[in-house]
Amino acid sequence: AQKITQTQPGMFVQEKEAVTLDCTYDTSDQSYGLFWYKQPSSGEMIFLIYQGSYDEQNATEGRYSLNFQKARKSANLVISASQLGDSAMYFCAMREFEYGNKLVFGAGTILRVKS
Amino acid sequence: NAGVMQNPRHLVRRRGQEARLRCSPMKGHSHVYWYRQLPEEGLKFMVYLQKENIIDESGMPKERFSAEFPKEGPSILRIQQVVRGDSAAYFCASSPPDRGYSNQPQHFGDGTRLSIL
Repeated sequence: AQKITQTQPGMFVQEKEAVTLDCTYDTSDQSYGLFWYKQPSSGEMIFLIYQGSYDEQNATEGRYSLNFQKARKSANLVISASQLGDSAMYFCAMREFEYGNKLVFGAGTILRVKS
Repeated sequence: NAGVMQNPRHLVRRRGQEARLRCSPMKGHSHVYWYRQLPEEGLKFMVYLQKENIIDESGMPKERFSAEFPKEGPSILRIQQVVRGDSAAYFCASSPPDRGYSNQPQHFGDGTRLSIL
């Protein structure tokens, strides 16, 4: 079974609007962390936001927020007020503490922001 | 630049040659990870190292690939006798010492794009 599933290969959003990128995960571990990374066309990997499995509040970092629904095993990324510079590939990743420090990544979602 | 430094940024090798990829972690980070990204795919974990120790190599191919993180100097990912299928982007990441169930993100370098002719 896929550990991380990102069902949207590509998404379009109008500039200044909000967009939600989906991520579901599969784990039997009680302690885990969920991460979102952005990869622009230049290729680097940029850390955006983190959510721990024991965190009761949804994580927020500026225009990024994480809609964490533990029972549904989903950790969707919400980008508010989209900007042209948000056009990139977005990866959801999970760390299962039982299995050490490695991250397991989803296949990614390409986001295109239209002006 | 205090970030994770990888070099070279691009590397071209012919089949059968050796490829050496280098990674210097962020200052204060003692954990290094290597990931591989094939075209149009997400990153796949290869190996996790601390100074002079391989902690988890569950993602490393059994042959031709090796990694080290010596006491002094950068971490090296070495691929011997490269084949066309080794063409990929190789990313290094680092994190500070783990404090149990911590939220320390892994910070990534810009990657090395390896092309095999």
